Amino acid sequence: GAGVSQSPRYKVAKRGQDVALRCDPISGHVSLFWYQQALGQGPEFLTYFQNEAQLDKSGLPSDRFFAERPEGSVSTLKIQRTQQEDSAVYLCASSSTLAGLIETQYFGPGTRLLVL
Amino acid sequence: AQSVTQLDSQVPVFEEAPVELRCNYSSSVSVYLFWYVQYPNQGLQLLLKYLSGSTLVKGINGFEAEFNKSQTSFHLRKPSVHISDTAEYFCAVPGANNLFFGTGTRLTVIP
Repeated sequence: GAGVSQSPRYKVAKRGQDVALRCDPISGHVSLFWYQQALGQGPEFLTYFQNEAQLDKSGLPSDRFFAERPEGSVSTLKIQRTQQEDSAVYLCASSSTLAGLIETQYFGPGTRLLVL
Repeated sequence: AQSVTQLDSQVPVFEEAPVELRCNYSSSVSVYLFWYVQYPNQGLQLLLKYLSGSTLVKGINGFEAEFNKSQTSFHLRKPSVHISDTAEYFCAVPGANNLFFGTGTRLTVIP
């Protein structure tokens, strides 16, 4: 595919359930980012990978959040024991070279998570 | 520390009228600035970015922004909006490993 894809697009979970959100970045992109976007807010950084290495996880809100990118391509964001405050849109982005600074980040459509 | 402030949460404007969406930044390092647009149920898309050089930056869909160092601003403008410009607009500044986004401005174009 030409762009970043995410699945599922929508997820409803009962409080306490575990969820896994998938991101397929643009082929060949080195950097991958996860953001959380609460309703009416801008995206907030969760974590960053350079290839398979997770170089920054400072934005993960608790130890219930875990992300991986084992082969340097597809990434999974896992949330254990979901809480209502986890309800948000989770955005994945990728860029062709190193993180931050001047490289354009290409965003997927997001996964909208609703925790009941 | 880097941050951006978008003062207007909602901006309604009539079709074919001009629009300005405001963004002010705070940065202790070299300034790079971005504007992204988010259409309903879609991911963010880059409109334009300022890296260096000319302070007037032209982007896609007829948008432009002007970097003003003395006023620490990077306002987004379009001389004539279309219905299709209805979306959420985010100003952003890069950190070490991520982008810091403003809270967004919802532009609603009224027919």
